[in-house]
Amino acid sequence: NAGVTQTPKFRILKIGQSMTLQCTQDMNHNYMYWYRQDPGMGLKLIYYSVGAGITDKGEVPNGYNVSRSTTEDFPLRLELAAPSQTSVYFCASRLAGGFYEQYFGPGTRLTVT
Amino acid sequence: TQLLEQSPQFLSIQEGENLTVYCNSSSVFSSLQWYRQEPGEGPVLLVTVVTGGEVKKLKRLTFQFGDARKDSSLHITAAQPGDTGLYLCAGAEDYKLSFGAGTTVTVRA
Repeated sequence: NAGVTQTPKFRILKIGQSMTLQCTQDMNHNYMYWYRQDPGMGLKLIYYSVGAGITDKGEVPNGYNVSRSTTEDFPLRLELAAPSQTSVYFCASRLAGGFYEQYFGPGTRLTVT
Repeated sequence: TQLLEQSPQFLSIQEGENLTVYCNSSSVFSSLQWYRQEPGEGPVLLVTVVTGGEVKKLKRLTFQFGDARKDSSLHITAAQPGDTGLYLCAGAEDYKLSFGAGTTVTVRA
């Protein structure tokens, strides 16, 4: 099993550009999450999904969009990149039920200049 | 969003010493998790504690959940350089986790 995979690993964007961060999991997990991690700030939830076709906002959704057309994939879209979106982005997934153990991908380091 | 505070923010110790990291909140959680994150990687789950007063041991790591399920601690005995990393606590609410800012632990050889 590959677990949770994310692409790209690194990306530099210019202000105003758009991009999609890809996330795929092969564990048949229902729930998927997008977080951003800034130095000294822990992980902040951007969006989450409890199943295909269902998404909801987290703590910091502004400037981002998501879709969940399949169980496996949960892409994160940045429409008009801003320097404030410079961060490390993590995708995670978990099974429904249980005690919310989440499995994380390796992250995407994004710089907006 | 429920706030989790971790202390200390940074901890640097010599190999063989003991250390304790704390995670505190004013809110009650149904469960609390501890993750460890190494540079350039995603967090990896260490343990989940569910019952107030629960103590779990993983080799040299001991995790405790407060009686009121608002706080937790992680104690490492005889720390090794391999224990170096960012330790994150996370409280469960609904379908989501709220993370603390983390404690960066450095164990010097």
